[in-house]
Amino acid sequence: DAGVTQSPTHLIKTRGQQVTLRCSPISGHKSVSWYQQVLGQGPQFIFQYYEKEERGRGNFPDRFSARQFPNYSSELNVNALLLGDSALYLCASSLNVLGDLLNQPQHFGDGTRLSIL
Amino acid sequence: QQPVQSPQAVILREGEDAVINCSSSKALYSVHWYRQKHGEAPVFLMILLKGGEQKGHEKISASFNEKKQQSSLYLTASQLSYSGTYFCRPPGVGGYNKLIFGAGTRLAVHP
Repeated sequence: DAGVTQSPTHLIKTRGQQVTLRCSPISGHKSVSWYQQVLGQGPQFIFQYYEKEERGRGNFPDRFSARQFPNYSSELNVNALLLGDSALYLCASSLNVLGDLLNQPQHFGDGTRLSIL
Repeated sequence: QQPVQSPQAVILREGEDAVINCSSSKALYSVHWYRQKHGEAPVFLMILLKGGEQKGHEKISASFNEKKQQSSLYLTASQLSYSGTYFCRPPGVGGYNKLIFGAGTRLAVHP
């Protein structure tokens, strides 16, 4: 079975531009979470979506937005890019949003490495 | 609030044991543990549930302290493949439905 897939794998943008990152969860997984990981740090929680609704949000500015589609895939959008947005963006899927309370593991994609020049 | 992991880094020889701690200001009702190898995505290792039950890895175990404000991950008879950065992730720390990872503990196992 295919794991979590993310695209693109690498992206270079300049300050002020906008970017869209894509994620396809494992088949049957209905929850998708987005994380930002800077080198040497743990993944920082951005959003969690379940059944097309936002179920959790981290401490990120409104420049960050996301959505989930009926097929459970998801997009993360970042507007007005700043140099500090350079990072690895990880998507993780799990069976459902209650999966955390039910202790289902999260499965991560390989990430999109975003570089801002 | 981010859970606090200690130590920040550990260096072991193959076959040695290690303990990694994850502390929170609130009682933990479960803790997820993940390992991330250099250049790769985090991979789920195991879940420690509030009653002490564990789900996941056969050779890695974990426990809570008495107040359940700290979880410890035990790596026994370490193998070269154990090298990587270990992250804990207690659900709900920092707010309901916020999935906050610790800053990580870097583990290097040498022959």
